[in-house]
Amino acid sequence: GNSVTQMEGPVTLSEEAFLTINCTYTATGYPSLFWYVQYPGEGLQLLLKATKADDKGSNKGFEATYRKETTSFHLEKGSVQVSDSAVYFCALSPGAGNNRKLIWGLGTSLAVNP
Amino acid sequence: GAGVSQSPSNKVTEKGKDVELRCDPISGHTALYWYRQSLGQGLEFLIYFQGNSAPDKSGLPSDRFSAERTGGSVSTLTIQRTQQEDSAVYLCASSLGAVNTGELFFGEGSRLTVL
Repeated sequence: GNSVTQMEGPVTLSEEAFLTINCTYTATGYPSLFWYVQYPGEGLQLLLKATKADDKGSNKGFEATYRKETTSFHLEKGSVQVSDSAVYFCALSPGAGNNRKLIWGLGTSLAVNP
Repeated sequence: GAGVSQSPSNKVTEKGKDVELRCDPISGHTALYWYRQSLGQGLEFLIYFQGNSAPDKSGLPSDRFSAERTGGSVSTLTIQRTQQEDSAVYLCASSLGAVNTGELFFGEGSRLTVL
């Protein structure tokens, strides 16, 4: 079946540090991959996405590359800011059907200290 | 409003009571989803509405859970005879349609605590 595994948190970094949050998946077919972010006191929001192998999603300085050979979609940012403190969720949408079947990771909490 | 609105934001109830959670999606969004987020768990799909089609109820955990969407807009999730294991954050999301983009717009959630 389809599943998403992301690294456990919490992750604590200093401002301007490099961030990697690992996400790997198992899926049949050709899924689309997503990162959602939940800032304190707010609803989840889409951060970036990639719909096919080798695509790179990017937004707000974050990037993730859809790697079919390693079934991964790791989230990276070169220099984190305090405002990036949030919970990050990796998600998968199976290749067929609509997005009601999004499969979610457990979330990784990130705290960035000044 | 501009975003998905959920109410109440917090609900504390006693075991055995019924609760209703409300979701007001973004205007024009035809698809509406309910998810449940329990401590240490990922998001669990509950139910999906798309336009006038029959809802996909495949994620509802028991017959104590039901949901309706009136007039293609506001949705209510009802939990009857609440149990302590129902304690969770209930998230509502909407999207423009049944396309495989995965771009859901979420509300802030309703935190339910069953004592």
